[in-house]
Amino acid sequence: GAVVSQHPSWVICKSGTSVKIECRSLDFQATTMFWYRQFPKQSLMLMATSNEGSKATYEQGVEKDKFLINHASLTLSTLTVTSAHPEDSSFYICSVTSGTYEQYFGPGTRLTVT
Amino acid sequence: SQQGEEDPQALSIQEGENATMNCSYKTSINNLQWYRQNSGRGLVHLILIRSNEREKHSGRLRVTLDTSKKSSSLLITASRAADTASYFCASRMDSSYKLIFGSGTRLLVRP
Repeated sequence: GAVVSQHPSWVICKSGTSVKIECRSLDFQATTMFWYRQFPKQSLMLMATSNEGSKATYEQGVEKDKFLINHASLTLSTLTVTSAHPEDSSFYICSVTSGTYEQYFGPGTRLTVT
Repeated sequence: SQQGEEDPQALSIQEGENATMNCSYKTSINNLQWYRQNSGRGLVHLILIRSNEREKHSGRLRVTLDTSKKSSSLLITASRAADTASYFCASRMDSSYKLIFGSGTRLLVRP
């Protein structure tokens, strides 16, 4: 399967600042990338779907102005949490697909907002 | 919410016993997948079953799918302490690449 990396693996930031999380597909051309959020002891909730070169599609209830997604190339998507607040503290996971059955997940980024 | 349900939410068994987890989903699917997640880590893909399949095996894993009931089960046989993790089902809808995750089952296998 594809190798997917995320950077950073964990980050602590102060309330009101912005944080950028990168998702890279290392050996795979990802036409579509997904971003998920997972709160402690809960399941993964899909936040948005991004296709290379076009605007991301956000799930209901996810603020697109707060969670900025850029999918500039077939190997890189970024999620920027703007004006982060403590309630944004979560585990953020990306996944990639080429459009087949398989979806490959990154190792996740743990965000803590103080 | 589109999220599927899983039961039990938590399961504690003795090493060597079998563990069964159930998943229900809400929409017509293309396939259903099971994932494992160790605490605070990423997801590991376990097995995929297509909508036209009823049962699938992989090593100690057995997955069933009942599309008429919109449900699936994951059976782990002869469990080991290393199987301790959270297990999630994820359904892929017919018309989309999106995966909708179930609520998860936390499995504890006691040595």
